[in-house]
Formats: sequence, C-alpha cells, structure tokens
Amino acid sequence: AQSVAQPEDQVNVAEGNPLTVKCTYSVSGNPYLFWYVQYPNRGLQFLLKYITGDNLVKGSYGFEAEFNKSQTSFHLKKPSALVSDSALYFCAVRAPYSGAGSYQLTFGKGTKLSVIP
Amino acid sequence: DGGITQSPKYLFRKEGQNVTLSCEQNLNHDAMYWYRQDPGQGLRLIYYSQIVNDFQKGDIAEGYSVSREKKESFPLTVTSAQKNPTAFYLCASSILRAGGSSYNEQFFGPGTRLTVL
Repeated sequence: AQSVAQPEDQVNVAEGNPLTVKCTYSVSGNPYLFWYVQYPNRGLQFLLKYITGDNLVKGSYGFEAEFNKSQTSFHLKKPSALVSDSALYFCAVRAPYSGAGSYQLTFGKGTKLSVIP
Repeated sequence: DGGITQSPKYLFRKEGQNVTLSCEQNLNHDAMYWYRQDPGQGLRLIYYSQIVNDFQKGDIAEGYSVSREKKESFPLTVTSAQKNPTAFYLCASSILRAGGSSYNEQFFGPGTRLTVL
C-alpha cells in the first residue's frame, strides 16, 4: 500500500525568508509525486509533479520540489515566501501503473503554511 | 479550479435524507473522482470512474453512490446510510493515457460543503 507523510501540521515563516514543506512517501516501484495548494473553502490547485528525470522540479508561483529517492522525500520549497503563499499544502503519491485502479492518488494530511508579514 | 464545476456550494441535509452533489467537467477528461475532506485528515477517495457507465469504490465508499452516464458528469449521492456525512466534498478529473495508465495531475472543482442538521 502507498502512503504519504507530512510531518508538520503547521509551518510558520517570515515573509521574504525561504520556506520548506516536508513530504515523505512509501510506494512500490518508482513514485509519481505531486504537490497541491488549497486556499480556504476552495478546491485544490496543482503546483508541480515529479514523474521522472531531473530531481529538482519547478512549478507554479515560484515553487519547486526536490525528489530524493534514498530518503523517499519530496519536499516543497520556495526561495522567498510571500504572505499570499499562506494556504494548506498537500503532497500526493501514486505508484506506476499496474492494472485498473492503480492510478489512485494517496494524499498526505496537509500542512498549513502561514507566512508572517 | 479549471473546467470543473460543482454545485451547490453549500448543502444542508436533514437526518435520513439522501442528497446528490453535482460535478461537471468540460475538459474532455476520461477519469473522474470524488473525495471527502475532513479537517486534519487530508483527502480520502470515495469513488472513481475511468469510463462512462463504469466506476469503482475507493477507500470510503460505504453510504455513498455514484453514476457515470455521461463523460462530462459524475454525480455523488450521499445516502442516509452515511452516518457522518458532514464534510467538504471535492470532485476531480484527469486524462488517461492509452492503456489506462495515467500519471497526469488531477484537476479539482471548487467543492461542496455538506452539513447535516
């Protein structure tokens, strides 16, 4: 079974400082990894994904994530945080295709990011 | 929130009532999904559908039913058998590659907040 852990329920960072939101995963085979952001009472918005290739993935709004296979991690990063980045962030994983239904995403419980002015 | 619409935005249900949540997409996506979101628990998959007239149970299907009569539409019925239906419900869709494999990101609707009175 696949799983995702986001070890921090909340991350606080000062505006202009770098931010990191942590994610570790467990899956059989090479993982497909995703980050989403959710603003209050809204749906999830896709930020970036890792499928294969370069371990550093760049996404929307200046976010990037680094895939580390040995540490089974996919941490989300941004060099300079904005107040508008304050939201709920979800990491998700799925295993390579192995039959009908195997493309389900498993989500972490989410990390609330607060950027302090 | 892409080309996915959910209605209503807010829904109130009395005990013992069935209610239906609407989800429509104009992205020409093959796959559609329903998730339930509770505070601190992330997203949990209720049902998903890969093709018209076919759908599969997710992790928490008990007390819910779906239909997929059209590619664009995937309504979710919350039945009276669902004992704790108060939650935020999210619909999503994604494309499928040939052969059913999909690593493409899921696009989410804006959500429906269901409250039991």
